Amino acid sequence: NAGVTQTPKFQVLKTGQSMTLQCAQDMNHEYMSWYRQDPGMGLRLIHYSVGAGITDQGEVPNGYNVSRSTTEDFPLRLLSAAPSQTSVYFCASSYSESTGTEAFFGQGTRLTVV
Amino acid sequence: TQLLEQSPQFLSIQEGENLTVYCNSSSVFSSLQWYRQEPGEGPVLLVTVVTGGEVKKLKRLTFQFGDARKDSSLHITAAQPGDTGLYLCAGAMGTGNQFYFGTGTSLTVIP
Repeated sequence: NAGVTQTPKFQVLKTGQSMTLQCAQDMNHEYMSWYRQDPGMGLRLIHYSVGAGITDQGEVPNGYNVSRSTTEDFPLRLLSAAPSQTSVYFCASSYSESTGTEAFFGQGTRLTVV
Repeated sequence: TQLLEQSPQFLSIQEGENLTVYCNSSSVFSSLQWYRQEPGEGPVLLVTVVTGGEVKKLKRLTFQFGDARKDSSLHITAAQPGDTGLYLCAGAMGTGNQFYFGTGTSLTVIP
């Protein structure tokens, strides 16, 4: 049972470099999201998707792009990395039922921008 | 501005003590979840509450959703060292299952 798989686990970037954080889920969930976690701030929503081909911005979208070409994959792209983007990034997939909802998280990507 | 405020931010207690963590907002949520996160891992769901006034129990953990669906609390009875971790509340809203997380409560239970 893979659940949500994120790669890489660790990454160091130089300011101005670009990279893509990968996220894949095998639970056939419609909803997928990206969060960043910073000390004392909890998790903040970057972008989310309600299904293949549909994405929208969350609380802190600036500097990040996403796409959702398939149900399974939801990559996060940093176009020009900045030190302020140093953080731990979590991808999540979720379902929604009348009894509530639950988000399943990957193990995270720890990104350092120098 | 954080949509959900959690208190306290840090809590250090002795084994066997009781504790309560609060999660407050001025916004209404369709459901509210409590997660627990271990170092180096993603959050893992403990419980989901959906109905205003709902109370759910999970062994020594009791979760309550406020009548107006704006706030919640987590009460732990007779805390154990295994309860140590970061506790996060998250409110769900919108059509896209957007989760808005609280700032987190870091709990340490001392043996």
